[in-house]
Amino acid sequence: KQEVTQIPAALSVPEGENLVLNCSFTDSAIYNLQWFRQDPGKGLTSLLLIQSSQREQTSGRLNASLDKSSGRSTLYIAASQPGDSATYLCAVPSNTDKLIFGTGTRLQVFP
Amino acid sequence: KAGVTQTPRYLIKTRGQQVTLSCSPISGHRSVSWYQQTPGQGLQFLFEYFSETQRNKGNFPGRFSGRQFSNSRSEMNVSTLELGDSALYLCATKWGTGEETQYFGPGTRLLVL
Repeated sequence: KQEVTQIPAALSVPEGENLVLNCSFTDSAIYNLQWFRQDPGKGLTSLLLIQSSQREQTSGRLNASLDKSSGRSTLYIAASQPGDSATYLCAVPSNTDKLIFGTGTRLQVFP
Repeated sequence: KAGVTQTPRYLIKTRGQQVTLSCSPISGHRSVSWYQQTPGQGLQFLFEYFSETQRNKGNFPGRFSGRQFSNSRSEMNVSTLELGDSALYLCATKWGTGEETQYFGPGTRLLVL
């Protein structure tokens, strides 16, 4: 049974810092991994999707990497801003296509 | 292109009542999935519909049901509400059944008193 874990659970940093959020999964037989952002009380916004054949995906200040063999993905946020404050979730599809989500990392970036 | 819309956005019900939530996918999307999000359990998969057929179902009691219409809009119904059904209900849509990005709606916040 696939399990997805994210560390740290919460993070509070000053503006301008570079951040690394971690996502671990127990079953490496995945065909992609997706990172989402969720603002308080809101839905999920897709940030990046990495196919199993890829090792990295970049979008602006965000860079996500995937290492299937070790069951890990990292989301790197460069030059963090207060507007980056949100909960970040990673998710992998199960063999039946449903998404299995991690527990999330709650990020606060203060000015 | 309009995003995924969910109605209503907020709902207050009492125990024992039933509720129906609606999800309208992005134009052209035929797959709709539903998730429940609670502080204790996180995001959990409820079910997925594609072309009016339920493809997958999560581990929820039979009080939770859904359907999809020919225009791909989907509804989920919860009967005999319990306090523990209080949650944010999210739907996610995509074009097909393949390895593609899912787009989430803003959710319906349900409070059961």
